[in-house]
Amino acid sequence: DGGITQSPKYLFRKEGQNVTLSCEQNLNHDAMYWYRQDPGQGLRLIYYSQIVNDFQKGDIAEGYSVSREKKESFPLTVTSAQKNPTAFYLCASSLDRGSTDTQYFGPGTRLTVL
Amino acid sequence: AQKITQTQPGMFVQEKEAVTLDCTYDTSDPSYGLFWYKQPSSGEMIFLIYQGSYDQQNATEGRYSLNFQKARKSANLVISASQLGDSAMYFCAMRGLYSGAGSYQLTFGKGTKLSVIP
Repeated sequence: DGGITQSPKYLFRKEGQNVTLSCEQNLNHDAMYWYRQDPGQGLRLIYYSQIVNDFQKGDIAEGYSVSREKKESFPLTVTSAQKNPTAFYLCASSLDRGSTDTQYFGPGTRLTVL
Repeated sequence: AQKITQTQPGMFVQEKEAVTLDCTYDTSDPSYGLFWYKQPSSGEMIFLIYQGSYDQQNATEGRYSLNFQKARKSANLVISASQLGDSAMYFCAMRGLYSGAGSYQLTFGKGTKLSVIP
């Protein structure tokens, strides 16, 4: 079955720790994205990548880092510099074909800072 | 900059009835795409329907249709014959083609929580 997987589903972190969220897709999509969702809010873009070894900052990149070493994988690291990291994180991917491009999402990771 | 406005924080609908979820948008892009996603309590965002700015006809996908009024900059989602499984958050989003560095991101509204009553 083709799709996007994210792990873990739930993640707890102590203040001052870095954590990495996994995102893998087997849809052969070129582009991948990370979004953050806070309660009662829409999604905000953290980072996106259109090609391997290249990525761009979104609206709220501060305190986050990413890598794109393989087409299938786009891990997100939430660093200790992120002041309010407790949120729901969603990974998405798409074929990257302009304004008609549909993004498909993974099941999400809920991060809680203790 | 692009902006999506969903003015209905919550909606109730009786099972088997139709419901319209409102979405207005603002953009200076000449070409853009409009999307609706469903987010059940599990959290996953499920793609429902897409409308291109130059499409002549309103998009339909099964029980979902998009009432696109370009002059009014609105893209309302219509769900026909509501089912209990339709209870979820619904997000309107848009993607522009000529937005420069931001051209590959979706801009989301804050969502509407739909509750279907038996």
